[in-house]
Amino acid sequence: DAKTTQPNSMESNEEEPVHLPCNHSTISGTDYIHWYRQLPSQGPEYVIHGLTSNVNNRMASLAIAEDRKSSTLILHRATLRDAAVYYCIVPVGYNKLIFGAGTRLAVHP
Amino acid sequence: GAVVSQHPSWVICKSGTSVKIECRSLDFQATTMFWYRQFPKQSLMLMATSNEGSKATYEQGVEKDKFLINHASLTLSTLTVTSAHPEDSSFYICSAPRGGQGNTEAFFGQGTRLTVV
Repeated sequence: DAKTTQPNSMESNEEEPVHLPCNHSTISGTDYIHWYRQLPSQGPEYVIHGLTSNVNNRMASLAIAEDRKSSTLILHRATLRDAAVYYCIVPVGYNKLIFGAGTRLAVHP
Repeated sequence: GAVVSQHPSWVICKSGTSVKIECRSLDFQATTMFWYRQFPKQSLMLMATSNEGSKATYEQGVEKDKFLINHASLTLSTLTVTSAHPEDSSFYICSAPRGGQGNTEAFFGQGTRLTVV
C-alpha cells in the first residue's frame, strides 16, 4: 500500500495560487492519486484524481511528477471557502481510502 | 452529480442503547460502501467495508459485534452502534465509490455526530 506524506499545514492569501505537495514514493504503476478535502464538521469532498497525466477540473489542477513519486494539488485562486484539510490518498484495493493527517490550509483575507 | 446521503445528521442517545445510521447512494448503485469514524482534531479512521449481499469486512481493532453493518441493497448501508457508551461518541461518516478500482471518485455522506450520554 502506497503511503503518502504531506505537510501538516500551509497558509495562503485570498486570490493567490496555492500549491499543496504530496509525496508517494512507493506508488505502483497502476495506482491512482486522489485528493479530497474536508471542511469543518462535514464529510470529505472529492477534489480531483489522476494516474499519470496532469488533470484539470473546475475545482483544481493536479500536477503529477514524471516518476509519479510526488504530486501537487493546485488551487489557482484561493478563496476563504477553500480553507480546509486536504488529503492526498492512494486508494487500496477497491477504492478503499485510508486517510492520513492531511494538510490544513489556512486562507487569509 | 452523484450524492451520498447520511441520516441522521446528529443523534443523542443514552448509554446502553443502540443507534442506527443510514447511508444512501442517491443516484448510483454502490456495491461497496465504507464507514469511518472521526474524533475531534483527528483524521478519519476507516472502520469497515460494507459489501452488498455479503458480510462486512472490519479493520483491525474494530469490534464487529458492536458496530453492526448491513448492506441490504445496492443503495443502502446501515451502521448500528450497539450498546453505545460515551466513548463511542464520535463523528461517523460513510462513503461510496461510484465504481472501479481506484479510478473513480468516492462520495461522502455529510456525517453523523453521535453523542452518548
